[in-house]
Amino acid sequence: GNSVTQMEGPVTLSEEAFLTINCTYTATGYPSLFWYVQYPGEGLQLLLKATKADDKGSNKGFEATYRKETTSFHLEKGSVQVSDSAVYFCALTSTDSWGKFQFGAGTQVVVTP
Amino acid sequence: EAGVAQSPRYKIIEKRQSVAFWCNPISGHATLYWYQQILGQGPKLLIQFQNNGVVDDSQLPKDRFSAERLKGVDSTLKIQPAKLEDSAVYLCASSGGSRETQYFGPGTRLLVL
Repeated sequence: GNSVTQMEGPVTLSEEAFLTINCTYTATGYPSLFWYVQYPGEGLQLLLKATKADDKGSNKGFEATYRKETTSFHLEKGSVQVSDSAVYFCALTSTDSWGKFQFGAGTQVVVTP
Repeated sequence: EAGVAQSPRYKIIEKRQSVAFWCNPISGHATLYWYQQILGQGPKLLIQFQNNGVVDDSQLPKDRFSAERLKGVDSTLKIQPAKLEDSAVYLCASSGGSRETQYFGPGTRLLVL
């Protein structure tokens, strides 16, 4: 079956530091990969996505590249802000899962001034 | 474009009581999902609808949880009777089809005392 593994948090960083959150996956079929962000008290918001190998998703300074050879989709941002403090979820859906998403456990990121 | 709407935002009930949540998906989205998110965890799919038919309800505790999507638009999720372990955020999401991005509502935070 499909699964997503992401690094445990919390990840604590100073403002302007470089952020990496690791995400690896196993999937049957052809997966699409997503990063969602959840701010306190809110639902999940799509941050970026990639639908095929070597695609790079990007949004708000965040980037992630779909690496089929390493089955990874690591999230990166070069210079974080306090407003990036949130929980980040890696997720996938695949051609044989009928739209069902598999989410990772989430990684909490705390950015301090 | 209006997002996914959910109500109520918060609910506090005593164990053994019943509760219902409502979701209105993005207009035109055929697929609707209900998730349970326990504090510190990723969303867990409870049920997935395609139009008004159930695609996946394998993780729905059917002895106490029920859901319906009449006319293929709005949906309600009911818990009867509630248990302490049902305390969680209940998220509704919708998508335009298989492998398409899921868009989430703000969630309903349920506390069972």
